Amino acid sequence: GGIITQTPKFLIGQEGQKLTLKCQQNFNHDTMYWYRQDSGKGLRLIYYSITENDLQKGDLSEGYDASREKKSSFSLTVTSAQKNEMAVFLCASSIRDTLYFGAGTRLSVL
Amino acid sequence: GDQVEQSPSALSLHEGTGSALRCNFTTTMRAVQWFQQNSRGSLINLFYLASGTKENGRLKSTFNSKESYSTLHIRDAQLEDSGTYFCAAEGFYNQGKLIFGQGTKLSIKP
Repeated sequence: GGIITQTPKFLIGQEGQKLTLKCQQNFNHDTMYWYRQDSGKGLRLIYYSITENDLQKGDLSEGYDASREKKSSFSLTVTSAQKNEMAVFLCASSIRDTLYFGAGTRLSVL
Repeated sequence: GDQVEQSPSALSLHEGTGSALRCNFTTTMRAVQWFQQNSRGSLINLFYLASGTKENGRLKSTFNSKESYSTLHIRDAQLEDSGTYFCAAEGFYNQGKLIFGQGTKLSIKP
C-alpha cells in the first residue's frame, strides 16, 4: 500500500511570513490536491494538479502558491501568513477519482 | 459555482440504531465520494460512486446524478462510527476538482 506524507505536522509562523508545506505520495497517483480545513468546517480546495508541472486553482487560491515539480510531490506556499490564522492543510492524491489523504499540517500564526 | 449542501449538520444516535445522511448538489455531478474524519483528524475514503448503490458492511451509499443527490445510510451504529462525515462531488466540466460538503458530525451514544 501507499502513503501520503505531509511535512511538517505542525507549523508555527509569524504574521507576514512566507511558509511552505510539503507533500509526498508513493502511490504513483497522477492528481494531487491541497485543501484547507478550518475548525469545525468542511474542506476548501486551494490548488490541485492533474500531472507533473500542472497547476489548477481551486476556490481558495488567493494568498497561496503551489508547485508540482515531480509526480510524487506537491508543495504549497502561504505567501504571507495572516495573524491569528489557524487551520489544517490537507494534501491528497487520487487515481480513478478515489481520494487518499495525508494526516495534515496544522498551522498557527502568532 | 458548484455547491454541495450536506445535511444534517449534526446527528446523535444510540448504539444499534441507524440513520441517513444526505448531500444535495446544485448542478449535475459526475461522481460522489464519502469520507469519515475520525477524532484524530484522519480522513478515510468510504465510497466512490459514479451511479447507483454500493454497500460495505453497515454502510450503504446511493448516488442519483439525475436528481442531484447522494445518501449515506448507517445501520446498527457502533461507537467507532463517531466522527464527521463528508461528501465530495466532481462536476462534469471541472476534471479533478472535488467540492466538499460542510460535513455531518455524528455522535454515537451507548
